[in-house]
Amino acid sequence: QKEVEQDPGPLSVPEGAIVSLNCTYSNSAFQYFMWYRQYSRKGPELLMYTYSSGNKEDGRFTAQVDKSSKYISLFIRDSQPSDSATYLCAMSGPNFGNEKLTFGTGTRLTIIP
Amino acid sequence: EPEVTQTPSHQVTQMGQEVILRCVPISNHLYFYWYRQILGQKVEFLVSFYNNEISEKSEIFDDQFSVERPDGSNFTLKIRSTKLEDSAMYFCASSAPDREVFNSNQPQHFGDGTRLSIL
Repeated sequence: QKEVEQDPGPLSVPEGAIVSLNCTYSNSAFQYFMWYRQYSRKGPELLMYTYSSGNKEDGRFTAQVDKSSKYISLFIRDSQPSDSATYLCAMSGPNFGNEKLTFGTGTRLTIIP
Repeated sequence: EPEVTQTPSHQVTQMGQEVILRCVPISNHLYFYWYRQILGQKVEFLVSFYNNEISEKSEIFDDQFSVERPDGSNFTLKIRSTKLEDSAMYFCASSAPDREVFNSNQPQHFGDGTRLSIL
């Protein structure tokens, strides 16, 4: 079983729709959960990060973590064409910021105007 | 906003040659990383570096790889004798201590990568 699994997509939705992106993981040691956005030929750009279980909201983006199910989600409300990118989930253990990140494969998202 | 910068953006090298990839981390960051992403695959951790020494390395980071912080601003990844399978995007990342939370750090920020093509 892979440590982090993410549906690679591609996922296409119309502008204005709510997008749901998900990852599952197997390593119980993960405590920090991140979402990065990656545009073509660019590096991963941090969108949000959360610690342990719960929700976190930032503008149109909401991150959810359910540690009991080992399942994390990113919701994008009122999706825009500029949201078209690959979305990467990433996770780390308790030493956040000074230990390696484990990434999912990324979900390629296209918002159709 | 401060950013991690990487040079060159694209490097083409003959198999067996040495290559050095360069990174300038964000200026107040103290923790440095290299990751790679083979085309169509996930981003994979290579090595982390703190206080002038390697903190952790993956199985990928074998004797052909080395890292160095030659001065106060640059962080380099050297591949001594490149192989075809080293062709990938190489990302540098850095993070800073979290001054509000003891023994914690801010998240890692990534550069735009160097595309390494081995012929």
